[in-house]
Amino acid sequence: TQLLEQSPQFLSIQEGENLTVYCNSSSVFSSLQWYRQEPGEGPVLLVTVVTGGEVKKLKRLTFQFGDARKDSSLHITAAQPGDTGLYLCAGGPMDSNYQLIWGAGTKLIIKP
Amino acid sequence: KAGVTQTPRYLIKTRGQQVTLSCSPISGHRSVSWYQQTPGQGLQFLFEYFSETQRNKGNFPGRFSGRQFSNSRSEMNVSTLELGDSALYLCASSERSGTTSHEQFFGPGTRLTVL
Repeated sequence: TQLLEQSPQFLSIQEGENLTVYCNSSSVFSSLQWYRQEPGEGPVLLVTVVTGGEVKKLKRLTFQFGDARKDSSLHITAAQPGDTGLYLCAGGPMDSNYQLIWGAGTKLIIKP
Repeated sequence: KAGVTQTPRYLIKTRGQQVTLSCSPISGHRSVSWYQQTPGQGLQFLFEYFSETQRNKGNFPGRFSGRQFSNSRSEMNVSTLELGDSALYLCASSERSGTTSHEQFFGPGTRLTVL
């Protein structure tokens, strides 16, 4: 069974601080996606990484896919209250007939 | 393109009743997946439909069922509701099955409360 462990589960920091969220597995994935979900809404896709070692930036958010395609990280620089939400990672299985493997999520609160 | 739509947005039912939720995927998307989300269990996969056929199924009892129509719209049904079925039910559509990226686009969800 493929598992995707996400850490930390909960993070509350002050505006302006930096943070990193991790997504780890012992399995290799064809792709890794990051989503953000706000209360009462569905998750929204932020980024997809598909190549080992790939780094993508989305304004103050930096996403990295591990060289072996087993892990990923999300780094936020100078966090803003608008970054508050539930961050979910999801791994695309090597067999495309199977479903995404989801992490349990990181609940992030940025205090003004 | 219009996004994924789900109806109704909110629903209140009592134990023992049954409920049907509806999802319209993004135009051109043939894959529809359903998830149950609760604070304690996170995002749990229910099932996926592609071209009117159930392709994958999560670990949920038979009270949870679904179907997909020829226009890719999907419904899920929960019979004999239990208190523990209270959750946010999310529908997600994908462009096509077999894509490497597996990117999914979610609807706003249906908040089901069972009393």
